[in-house]
Amino acid sequence: DVKVTQSSRYLVKRTGEKVFLECVQDMDHENMFWYRQDPGLGLRLIYFSYDVKMKEKGDIPEGYSVSREKKERFSLILESASTNQTSMYLCASSPSGARGEKLFFGSGTQLSVL
Amino acid sequence: QKEVEQDPGPLSVPEGAIVSLNCTYSNSAFQYFMWYRQYSRKGPELLMYTYSSGNKEDGRFTAQVDKSSKYISLFIRDSQPSDSATYLCAITYNFNKFYFGSGTKLNVKP
Repeated sequence: DVKVTQSSRYLVKRTGEKVFLECVQDMDHENMFWYRQDPGLGLRLIYFSYDVKMKEKGDIPEGYSVSREKKERFSLILESASTNQTSMYLCASSPSGARGEKLFFGSGTQLSVL
Repeated sequence: QKEVEQDPGPLSVPEGAIVSLNCTYSNSAFQYFMWYRQYSRKGPELLMYTYSSGNKEDGRFTAQVDKSSKYISLFIRDSQPSDSATYLCAITYNFNKFYFGSGTKLNVKP
């Protein structure tokens, strides 16, 4: 089974801190995604990557950056955490091409910024 | 205008009921339609995937797409307490960018 592992289940940080969220997948998928999930707003795409060192902005990239140095790992960075970044963060991966309709999600990281 | 709108719920039904979950989307160019199920404290999992208009059935689940109305539906027959979860519709052009509905929380009462 595909496994997408997010490094932390719960995280509490202070305003202004630099925050790293890590995601690792074990199925050699080309595509990786970072979403945030907020009540009433659904999943919103922050960034995605279709190859190592490649990244594309999603719908809400402001205040975030990403890094993909290895195929299996996709990191989300909050440069200076703010309270409005308190949210559930979900990482996902998928194969490229015609099988790409299936996103495999991690269990999420609930981030609280105080 | 959001790319996809979903009935927010929550929805509470007795065990054995037929459940109908619905989404509308804005752009007729979308070709791929999915339903994800998300249990509490878990990430979403793909439940159904359809391409173009029509119905697709998988056990107790039927996904329906009406491209002329830009309307997608998920029907659950003989609903079970284990179906209690949040259901998210999703659409995409090309598998690079997915647009998700806000989710409908379903509770099936024993």
